[in-house]
Amino acid sequence: QQQVKQSPQSLIVQKGGISIINCAYENTAFDYFPWYQQFPGKGPALLIAIRPDVSEKKEGRFTISFNKSAKQFSLHIMDSQPGDSATYFCAAPTNTGTASKLTFGTGTRLQVTL
Amino acid sequence: NAGVTQTPKFQVLKTGQSMTLQCAQDMNHNSMYWYRQDPGMGLRLIYYSASEGTTDKGEVPNGYNVSRLNKREFSLRLESAAPSQTSVYFCASSEVGSSEQYFGPGTRLTVT
Repeated sequence: QQQVKQSPQSLIVQKGGISIINCAYENTAFDYFPWYQQFPGKGPALLIAIRPDVSEKKEGRFTISFNKSAKQFSLHIMDSQPGDSATYFCAAPTNTGTASKLTFGTGTRLQVTL
Repeated sequence: NAGVTQTPKFQVLKTGQSMTLQCAQDMNHNSMYWYRQDPGMGLRLIYYSASEGTTDKGEVPNGYNVSRLNKREFSLRLESAAPSQTSVYFCASSEVGSSEQYFGPGTRLTVT
């Protein structure tokens, strides 16, 4: 069973600061590592994803850093805003041929204060 | 284009009652998934359907059954609800072989 270990469990950051969430995964040969964002009362939504052939991917204020040798990837939120307050999940896939089963981390609740 | 829809949004059951959670997607996706979300445990896969006509167990299938009714619809049934099944249930869908999953808004289930 693929395991994904996510830390920290919760995070409080001041507006304008940098939020950093880390994930570690077990052995995998697969090619896609997504981060999901979930607001209270809503379903998770794909935020950003990376393939392991690159070490970093940036979309606006969100950056994924990937360290294949250490089997770790992290989400950085630059210039954090109150609207970023949500729960963030990393995931790692196990492909079954046609379906892609995601194993999720346990989530990080981010609160951005004024 | 509604994406993934789930019904009902909320449900309260007594122990031993049965119910079916409904999920439909309009994105023409082949693969569909059911997850449960519990505090501190992230999302755990209950069952999935790689394509119409196939279903497979996920990480936590005990106490649940599923039906892939057609390409659009994937239902989750609790035959005899238990308090341990109190959770928020999410349905998701994806293209064949894609790890990019689209989630519905969830069903909050309480079993007393």
